[in-house]
Amino acid sequence: AQSVAQPEDQVNVAEGNPLTVKCTYSVSGNPYLFWYVQYPNRGLQFLLKYITGDNLVKGSYGFEAEFNKSQTSFHLKKPSALVSDSALYFCAVSALVDSSYKLIFGSGTRLLVRP
Amino acid sequence: NAGVTQTPKFQVLKTGQSMTLQCAQDMNHEYMSWYRQDPGMGLRLIHYSVGAGITDQGEVPNGYNVSRSTTEDFPLRLLSAAPSQTSVYFCASSYSIGNRNSPLHFGNGTRLTVT
Repeated sequence: AQSVAQPEDQVNVAEGNPLTVKCTYSVSGNPYLFWYVQYPNRGLQFLLKYITGDNLVKGSYGFEAEFNKSQTSFHLKKPSALVSDSALYFCAVSALVDSSYKLIFGSGTRLLVRP
Repeated sequence: NAGVTQTPKFQVLKTGQSMTLQCAQDMNHEYMSWYRQDPGMGLRLIHYSVGAGITDQGEVPNGYNVSRSTTEDFPLRLLSAAPSQTSVYFCASSYSIGNRNSPLHFGNGTRLTVT
């Protein structure tokens, strides 16, 4: 079955420290991977995507993600966290389901950045 | 640029009542979809549409109907509300989910409570 796993419900980090939000996937064929962020009472916003090419992709707000094919992972990273980064983060993969492509979302990871 | 607009923002229904959640986008996107967000479960696809006049079921379609008479609008109808439909509903659109490159643009959600 095609799936996305975010193993951590919550990640806590101090402001200024690096952060990592983990994501692993299981999908047949080449994965198209995405990260979205959700701020309180808002819809999800697109952060970045991996389609092909360089394994390190850069996105909005200083975030980047590293694609690792052998570990089937797509972890979200940022070198220096900000309090304003506190939000809910979703990993997603585009997968062929019932003859059409659909986005499959992970369960989300809440990031809390302490001042 | 309004993007994806959802109305209402909040709604309380009694069991058995029906209602329509409205969604409109002004980006001329072919693909539109409805998700529900429940704690710890990420986003689950209810229904989607790849163009005017074309709709299909997602992962959790039971109890919901959709139609797509225009490119811009994609309303979601609850036929007979049940407490299990208490959730936050998001409408999302993209240029084309078929090419897999297009990120989804989300509305700000409708928080529905069924008592």
